[in-house]
Amino acid sequence: EDQVTQSPEALRLQEGESSSLNCSYTVSGLRGLFWYRQDPGKGPEFLFTLYSAGEEKEKERLKATLTKKESFLHITAPKPEDSATYLCAVRENYGGATNKLIFGTGTLLAVQP
Amino acid sequence: DVKVTQSSRYLVKRTGEKVFLECVQDMDHENMFWYRQDPGLGLRLIYFSYDVKMKEKGDIPEGYSVSREKKERFSLILESASTNQTSMYLCASTPGKETQYFGPGTRLLVL
Repeated sequence: EDQVTQSPEALRLQEGESSSLNCSYTVSGLRGLFWYRQDPGKGPEFLFTLYSAGEEKEKERLKATLTKKESFLHITAPKPEDSATYLCAVRENYGGATNKLIFGTGTLLAVQP
Repeated sequence: DVKVTQSSRYLVKRTGEKVFLECVQDMDHENMFWYRQDPGLGLRLIYFSYDVKMKEKGDIPEGYSVSREKKERFSLILESASTNQTSMYLCASTPGKETQYFGPGTRLLVL
């Protein structure tokens, strides 16, 4: 069964303290791994899509990397405005034409000034 | 920019009421999805649609139905609301096999 597990559940950092969030997955044939940011009371906002092991993508202080079993979201010198829940999802091995995703439960990141 | 809108940000309903949640996207996307999000459980797929008048059950369809009469609009219907349907409801759309774009969410409270 396809599954996505994120760790840690919650992470508290000081401003400027770099760290990484983990997303491990089990899926038969990865067809895409997605990272989202979600602010309280709002819908998830798309950050990155990764398709193959070794792929990396960056946006401001965030960098996402992918191996065959997991993805990391590295946060370099975070600021308080980076505080949010970060969600990871993989595209389900579904034979249809659409894009069903399986989501992890997220990592709640708090960055203190 | 992709825009997905949901009809209400907050709703309060009584047990047994019929509830309609509407979602509209302006990017001509074929695929639309309804999720609910609960603490500790993450996002769970209720229903999705890959074309007008087409729908498929997700992981937790019980107690819900959907309607897609026009490409841009996907409605979620709670036939008889119950307290265990209190949740955050999120709509998403995608043009095909790419990323899903989410609306702002509707927080529903059933009393």
